[in-house]
Amino acid sequence: DTAVSQTPKYLVTQMGNDKSIKCEQNLGHDTMYWYKQDSKKFLKIMFSYNNKELIINETVPNRFSPKSPDKAHLNLHINSLELGDSAVYFCASSRYGGSGASSYEQYFGPGTRLTVT
Amino acid sequence: ILNVEQSPQSLHVQEGDSTNFTCSFPSSNFYALHWYRWETAKSPEALFVMTLNGDEKKKGRISATLNTKEGYSYLYIKGSQPEDSATYLCAPGAGSYQLTFGKGTKLSVIP
Repeated sequence: DTAVSQTPKYLVTQMGNDKSIKCEQNLGHDTMYWYKQDSKKFLKIMFSYNNKELIINETVPNRFSPKSPDKAHLNLHINSLELGDSAVYFCASSRYGGSGASSYEQYFGPGTRLTVT
Repeated sequence: ILNVEQSPQSLHVQEGDSTNFTCSFPSSNFYALHWYRWETAKSPEALFVMTLNGDEKKKGRISATLNTKEGYSYLYIKGSQPEDSATYLCAPGAGSYQLTFGKGTKLSVIP
């Protein structure tokens, strides 16, 4: 049983299109994240949600909009795709306790490789 | 976002050698320090989460230590095996939610 799943695994699309990546976790976690692995293989936080509420929104263009319909899902919608959006996007989840989510290990999905042509 | 330095960037060792890597981070606003193992074509897997100065964690042949006062953590691998080949990421957290990942140390274990 996959703990954190993402769909699709690969996404090839043209500039200007709108696309979504879905993420689901069955671990019972209440905190979820989106990371972007950039061209230098760096993992950078994009968004963090706790109990369906946006907690962290790093300097990400507003073409990127996360949506959390419930605690188990965090989807990423991208409008007007640009060449520079090509990357691998990872979803992750973790517990949250009184000491904060960063005190708990994060579980990562398999990643979605987005290619914008 | 913290300034996180990992060294070395890459490392080649012979099977059976022991090795260690360093993660440096700002000691102010420290919350937690994570280590992840990232194999090629897979996703990062958590190794350790440490929060207290002087913490030491161990999992099999891999162990880690934490010094929050001077802002560093060491990861040790004893008797490296080919299956240990991966990129090892450290990620300090300055807040209750946010981790900043380093660029990682890429370990290659030569049989």
